[in-house]
Amino acid sequence: KQEVTQIPAALSVPEGENLVLNCSFTDSAIYNLQWFRQDPGKGLTSLLLIQSSQREQTSGRLNASLDKSSGRSTLYIAASQPGDSATYLCAVNDYKLSFGAGTTVTVRA
Amino acid sequence: DVKVTQSSRYLVKRTGEKVFLECVQDMDHENMFWYRQDPGLGLRLIYFSYDVKMKEKGDIPEGYSVSREKKERFSLILESASTNQTSMYLCASSPRTDTQYFGPGTRLTVL
Repeated sequence: KQEVTQIPAALSVPEGENLVLNCSFTDSAIYNLQWFRQDPGKGLTSLLLIQSSQREQTSGRLNASLDKSSGRSTLYIAASQPGDSATYLCAVNDYKLSFGAGTTVTVRA
Repeated sequence: DVKVTQSSRYLVKRTGEKVFLECVQDMDHENMFWYRQDPGLGLRLIYFSYDVKMKEKGDIPEGYSVSREKKERFSLILESASTNQTSMYLCASSPRTDTQYFGPGTRLTVL
């Protein structure tokens, strides 16, 4: 059974600082890995999807890397803003999605 | 834009009631999913479906059933609601193994 772990569980940074969010998974036989954002009381919004054959994906200030062999992915958010405050979820797709518990980020103005 | 809608944002039911949660997607996606989300436990997969009239159990199917009579609609059924089914329920759809698109969620309270 796929186990997905996200560290840290919570993070608070001043505005402008870079964010580094970590995700690890136990079974490397995956189709892809996704990073989602969730605002309080809302559904999930997909941020980045990395296929198993890729090493990284970028979208604006977001960059996600994937090291399948070591079972790790990292989400980098450059120059954080208060609007980046949310919970970030990592999900591994090995025919169904397995989610981590998330990292709750607070960016202080 | 992909749109996934859920029938209710908030729902309050009594123990023992039969509860229907409806999910509709407008992008002709093959796959549809039902999750529940609880603090400290993250999202857990209840049931999913790869095609009409097809369903597969996820990680926590006990106490739930599903129905997919049409491609765009996936229903989650609580046959006899219990207080431990109080949770946020999230529906998602996807084309094959591509990204999943989530609905806004239904916060269900069972009294």
